[in-house]
Amino acid sequence: QVHLVQSGAEVKKPGASVKVSCKASGYSFTGYHMHWVRQAPGQGLEWMGRINPNSGGTSYAQRFQGRVTMTRNTSISTAYMELSSLRSDDTAVYYCASGPVEVSTDYWGQGTLVTVSS
Amino acid sequence: DIQMTQSPSSLSASVGDRVTITCQASQDITNYLNWYQQKPGKAPKLLIYDASNLEAGVPSRFSGSRSGTDFSFTISSLQPEDIATYYCQQYDNFPLTFGGGTKVEIK
Repeated sequence: QVHLVQSGAEVKKPGASVKVSCKASGYSFTGYHMHWVRQAPGQGLEWMGRINPNSGGTSYAQRFQGRVTMTRNTSISTAYMELSSLRSDDTAVYYCASGPVEVSTDYWGQGTLVTVSS
Repeated sequence: DIQMTQSPSSLSASVGDRVTITCQASQDITNYLNWYQQKPGKAPKLLIYDASNLEAGVPSRFSGSRSGTDFSFTISSLQPEDIATYYCQQYDNFPLTFGGGTKVEIK
């Protein structure tokens, strides 16, 4: 059974960085790409990018290029998403999601609330 | 980027009603479309993949179909536990993109 468990809520000041983790279990970590999706309060879903845990290769949505970094640690089956130069409009729930095909977002973590406030 | 136009943004229906949500892609995405259900405070849950295939364990009252770049999602008989927001998502091309969501309420 696929299980994705994310790190806890964070409160950050504008200009700071945040790093969210996502620990996978129930499948071969290097076999599924890991995506990151965010949802601002009361808003819809926005894809941020993905990482291939096998190669470490990444692709990011244009609007996050230069501010987001996705990494992984295969020894502990954990993916990370770091977002820098935080602004108030980065306040959102951040989800990791994975699946058996490169574009799959079949399985989701529980979400991590990141609040950006001075 | 592929734009996904979802409608309506909200709807109110009675228990037992048939409910339909539509999603239009800005270009051909073949069948590469998912439908998700999201309840308040929870992560999205995949209900339908490849436009019309029901995910394992999902009740058969949920269904999806495709006509060209137009996609439909139907709940054949609305149940109280179906109160949620529903999203379409294309996965034909990166960036993955979502519709704006449809909030379903009970009348």
